Amino acid sequence: EIVLTQSPATLSLSPGESATLSCRASQSVSNYLAWYQHKPGQAPRLLFYDASTTATGIPARFRGSGSGTDFTLTISSLEPEDFAVYYCQQRSSWPLTFGGGTKVEVK
Amino acid sequence: EVQLLESGGDLVQPGGSLRLSCEASGFTFSSYCMTWVRQAPGKGLEWVSGISAGGGSTYYADSVKGRFTMSRDNSKNTLFLHMNSLRAEDTAIYYCAKGFDTSRYSFDCWGQGTLVTVSS
Repeated sequence: EIVLTQSPATLSLSPGESATLSCRASQSVSNYLAWYQHKPGQAPRLLFYDASTTATGIPARFRGSGSGTDFTLTISSLEPEDFAVYYCQQRSSWPLTFGGGTKVEVK
Repeated sequence: EVQLLESGGDLVQPGGSLRLSCEASGFTFSSYCMTWVRQAPGKGLEWVSGISAGGGSTYYADSVKGRFTMSRDNSKNTLFLHMNSLRAEDTAIYYCAKGFDTSRYSFDCWGQGTLVTVSS
């Protein structure tokens, strides 16, 4: 099973600041990695698939990058609606796995 | 508009069974792989099971293998999760989600979830 390790677990930032979230895979997943945003009481929302391809309707301040074992989600200038939990997910091999999540909270 | 509507969540005793359903609309259901993902209270997302567009291939997390069965009825645009031998650790919100195409298991649309509680 491929283990995805996300860091940090919590990121405390103010609106307008930039956020850098990391997802590291225990073995190469090529570019078969997705990022999701999840807010309490809502359905998760796809941000990126295939590591860096933007999903429909995602603002330009979000950026996905990486390949192999190291991936990054960057939010260039946090808006109030961006405070949420972010998960990475690999589809390189079965079983599919999610990372443990990074919570981006208001400082 | 793509929509997924889960149902069937309930309070069930340990060892019991439950069937979850997910009704899909707004897209050609038979052309997309699908999945179930759960979130236990205070925990992160956990992938549970996946099924190919035609239903011929199914995949499971080790934690549910042998106890859960995923299926689909493409004539009724409905996804199912049959859950047997339920345990307290199966308590979670269960989400169904739509794959990106026939075999790309990244999920671009999710339902609101249905709550399963396993407790005596």
